[in-house]
Amino acid sequence: EAGVTQSPTHLIKTRGQQATLRCSPISGHTSVYWYQQALGLGLQFLLWYDEGEERNRGNFPPRFSGRQFPNYSSELNVNALELEDSALYLCASTLGGPLADTQYFGPGTRLTVL
Amino acid sequence: GQQVMQIPQYQHVQEGEDFTTYCNSSTTLSNIQWYKQRPGGHPVFLIQLVKSGEVKKQKRLTFQFGEAKKNSSLHITATQTTDVGTYFCAGREPNFNKFYFGSGTKLNVKP
Repeated sequence: EAGVTQSPTHLIKTRGQQATLRCSPISGHTSVYWYQQALGLGLQFLLWYDEGEERNRGNFPPRFSGRQFPNYSSELNVNALELEDSALYLCASTLGGPLADTQYFGPGTRLTVL
Repeated sequence: GQQVMQIPQYQHVQEGEDFTTYCNSSTTLSNIQWYKQRPGGHPVFLIQLVKSGEVKKQKRLTFQFGEAKKNSSLHITATQTTDVGTYFCAGREPNFNKFYFGSGTKLNVKP
């Protein structure tokens, strides 16, 4: 069974540009979570999508947005990039629902903003 | 707001020594999970605890969920260099359906 996949592996952008990160969950999983992990730090919750809808978002500005497609894959968009957006962006999928909490993480996308 | 804190932030041990990380939530949690992130890798699920006072073991790892379901611990007996990584706890707040990750404990094991 394929795990969670993310693309691209690495992304280099300049300040002010826009970045799009993609995530494909494990087959059968309907929930996707996005996290930001700055170098050496913990996981900061960004967004949670379940069954195509945004269920919750963390304390990030509106320029962080995303969506979930009918096939449950997801996209994270970051507009007007700032230097401090440089981080590892991790996507995790779960079976969905409040009791299915085991999160399966993808390898992440390393975003560098110059 | 809700916080899930872990202590210590860093721990350096000699191979063979024991290691414990503690996870504390400001509110009651529905469940607690533990994840391990190897250097350069992504978090990998280790275990989930659901019941008050629950204790689970995985070989040299012992996980405990507090009676009040607000704290948890992970204890590693006789650490090995393969235990190196950052250990995160995570839990769901029942009333608001939010999921929180702890700040993580970075373990370094010297051979």
